Amino acid sequence: NTVMTQSPTSMFISVGDRVTMNCKASQNVGTNVDWYQQKTGQSPKLLIYGASNRYTGVPDRFTGSGSGTDFTLTISNMQAEDLAVYYCLQYNYNPWTFGGGTKLELK
Amino acid sequence: EVQLVESGGGLVQPGASLKLSCVASGFTFSDYWMSWVRQTPGKTMEWIGDIKYDGSYTNYAPSLKNRFTISRDNAKSTLYLQMSNVRSEDTATYYCTRTMGIGFDYWGQGVMVTVSS
Repeated sequence: NTVMTQSPTSMFISVGDRVTMNCKASQNVGTNVDWYQQKTGQSPKLLIYGASNRYTGVPDRFTGSGSGTDFTLTISNMQAEDLAVYYCLQYNYNPWTFGGGTKLELK
Repeated sequence: EVQLVESGGGLVQPGASLKLSCVASGFTFSDYWMSWVRQTPGKTMEWIGDIKYDGSYTNYAPSLKNRFTISRDNAKSTLYLQMSNVRSEDTATYYCTRTMGIGFDYWGQGVMVTVSS
């Protein structure tokens, strides 16, 4: 299976911060990577598909980048409503596999 | 509005079987691949498998292929997950998702399954 390793596992941030989190694939997955946001008590929501494409309605402070094995999700000007766990997913190889998540918490 | 509503979860004994359902609305169900994804109490996410829009093809995570079966009834806009010989490690929240070539664009609210004697 393709292992997706996310780092860091948690981050303490302040409103207004620029936040960067990473996802590393154990093999080349091209740009077939999504990012999902899961707030406490809610289902995950698609934020970024194809490594860098914002899904419908996603604010432009969310930016995805990367290809091959290394991927990044950046939140510019962090808002309180962005507190959540963020997961990456690769859909290049069967089985599709998720990273372990990065949890954003307030300082 | 797209809605996916799962049901059928609960407490089940090890070795038993359980069938989850997901009723879809707000879109043409028969046009879309659908998937099941689960999340353990430790928050690990795992793709279980998917099914083609007409039900003619299914695809599973190799570790679950022998115990889990995905099916659908397009006339009822309903997706199913048949779980057999369940184990404690199957304890999780199970999500029904609409599946595009780009990933999962809609998720249900999830249904909890607890495997315990």
